Amino acid sequence: DIQLTQSPSFLSASVGDRVTITCRASRGIAIYLAWYQHKPGKAPKLLIYGASTLQSGVPSRFSGSRSGTEFTLTINSLQPEDFATYYCQQLNTYLPLTFGGGTKVEI
Amino acid sequence: EVQVVESGGGQVEPGGSLRLSCEASGFTLSTYSVSWVRQAPGKGLEWVSFISARGSDRYYADPVKGRFTISRDNTINSVYLQLNSLRAEDTALYYCARASRSQLLNFYYYYMDVWGRGTTVAVSS
Repeated sequence: DIQLTQSPSFLSASVGDRVTITCRASRGIAIYLAWYQHKPGKAPKLLIYGASTLQSGVPSRFSGSRSGTEFTLTINSLQPEDFATYYCQQLNTYLPLTFGGGTKVEI
Repeated sequence: EVQVVESGGGQVEPGGSLRLSCEASGFTLSTYSVSWVRQAPGKGLEWVSFISARGSDRYYADPVKGRFTISRDNTINSVYLQLNSLRAEDTALYYCARASRSQLLNFYYYYMDVWGRGTTVAVSS
């Protein structure tokens, strides 16, 4: 099986801050990772797939990177609409399509 | 507009059954794989099940294996999730998501790029 460990679980930040969220996989998953943004009462939104490919229409202040089994979501210059919960998910269908535990970004 | 819409949720007693539906508009669902994802109250997202475009590959999370069944009818652009032997811990908002395909070397992987707003399943006596 596979576990995705996100850190931190909660993050307090201000508008304009640079925010970094980490997702560590318990085994190698190459680039098979996505990041989603989720706001209460809304559908989750895809931000990044393939570890670093920005989904069409997503602002360029969002970026993703990978180093081995550690993946990072970076938000440059946090905007008011970015306050939400962020999840990573592994995308290899030979394994459970597990989500990380989530990171809530609060003001 | 490209969207998916879930329906079929409701309140059911433990041991009961429900069938959730996912209908697509603005695109041809038969050319895409689909996943179901749920979120229990106060918890994070949990992947539940995946079905390939032709229905030949189906995967389930361990907590629902043997109780839930994913299926699709490509003639009417719909995907279904049959929920049997429901338990209190299955109480959640259930999302349907289109799974688009990308490729690295000879391996395909799928990411969820279109999500619905969910349908609520409540299991209690």
